[in-house]
Amino acid sequence: AQKITQTQPGMFVQEKEAVTLDCTYDTSDQSYGLFWYKQPSSGEMIFLIYQGSYDEQNATEGRYSLNFQKARKSANLVISASQLGDSAMYFCAMREALLGQNFVFGPGTRLSVLP
Amino acid sequence: NAGVTQTPKFQVLKTGQSMTLQCAQDMNHNSMYWYRQDPGMGLRLIYYSASEGTTDKGEVPNGYNVSRLNKREFSLRLESAAPSQTSVYFCASTPVSTANQPQHFGDGTRLSIL
Repeated sequence: AQKITQTQPGMFVQEKEAVTLDCTYDTSDQSYGLFWYKQPSSGEMIFLIYQGSYDEQNATEGRYSLNFQKARKSANLVISASQLGDSAMYFCAMREALLGQNFVFGPGTRLSVLP
Repeated sequence: NAGVTQTPKFQVLKTGQSMTLQCAQDMNHNSMYWYRQDPGMGLRLIYYSASEGTTDKGEVPNGYNVSRLNKREFSLRLESAAPSQTSVYFCASTPVSTANQPQHFGDGTRLSIL
């Protein structure tokens, strides 16, 4: 079974608007971490934001925030005030404490920001 | 401030040839990883090394071998390349084995097998 699901293969957003990228996960571990990475067309993987399973508040990093709903096992990425440079692939990933060495990645969402 | 360095950046091989992808990190990280990225499939773990002297299989280890040469270096070897191994390969590292540490990635190696 897929451990990380990203149901949106592609998304479009108008410049300066907010956009939400969906991520749901599957784990029986109580302690885990959720990560979002950005991959621009140049190919590098850029870490954006982290949410721990025990964190009570949603993580925020600049224009990025993580809408964490533990009971629903979702960890959606919200990008506020989209910029043209936000056009990229976005990957959700999970690391389970009991399987601490293994990160599992979702298939990604391609975001295109329109001028 | 190099971080994770992968060599080469591009490589074309013929079926049956062998080669080694090199990865080095200068951040004193304990854990290192090799992934492959194929269109529509995200990143899939090939092998990882929790610490110097240990290696373990990931999701897709067949056709690959690894060596954790020292704390800095983690190499991936294709003994007999096959067209199905055409992919982009990423090396990554993390400081310690806890759930809250993100991975730091190299820039990738684009490998084509003809």
